Amino acid sequence: DAGITQSPRHKVTETGTPVTLRCHQTENHRYMYWYRQDPGHGLRLIHYSYGVKDTDKGEVSDGYSVSRSKTEDFLLTLESATSSQTSVYFCAISEISGALGTDTQYFGPGTRLTVL
Amino acid sequence: QQPVQSPQAVILREGEDAVINCSSSKALYSVHWYRQKHGEAPVFLMILLKGGEQKGHEKISASFNEKKQQSSLYLTASQLSYSGTYFCGTLKAAGNKLTFGGGTRVLVKP
Repeated sequence: DAGITQSPRHKVTETGTPVTLRCHQTENHRYMYWYRQDPGHGLRLIHYSYGVKDTDKGEVSDGYSVSRSKTEDFLLTLESATSSQTSVYFCAISEISGALGTDTQYFGPGTRLTVL
Repeated sequence: QQPVQSPQAVILREGEDAVINCSSSKALYSVHWYRQKHGEAPVFLMILLKGGEQKGHEKISASFNEKKQQSSLYLTASQLSYSGTYFCGTLKAAGNKLTFGGGTRVLVKP
């Protein structure tokens, strides 16, 4: 357990409404990520953060924005939700090991979002 | 570019072996393996680095063939608990932006 929580765990919303998903971690990890998971596509990176106020885009960032004002919280916002954004959203955290040049990512429990 | 996993699905009897492959068209720095059970989050299994040795987790092991840019995950003497979807994530260079394959569904039957 890497101390990651996501809220809400389930959400149903309507097309055109704004939606914010929250990822909270308790272990002061530098890196945080948002992924979406859809059948047949595996996990696809939306955005990630490498520190407070430091974020970058992933491979499927269109229609999403993120913010990180505190180390422990990483927010994902859908400014105007569309049906194509119906998915399961996972948050993840990691620390890069200098020796390995890479690291282990630990995932939160996920948020199931349905856009009608 | 997304790595390609094969097979897409496999059904095993308890005690049987299976191999899952993860292939990339680009040179790889590392391959990360995860297992996800239905309705749960992916769980880390192991990392294989370029030039590194074969890794193991329980009776699950993996190798990394740099010439082929392919990693293989070996499920040995499978147990019911091995059921789930296995994902590989790849890095082309040192860092942290993983690209995941589409997954391989494994079902182990009694």
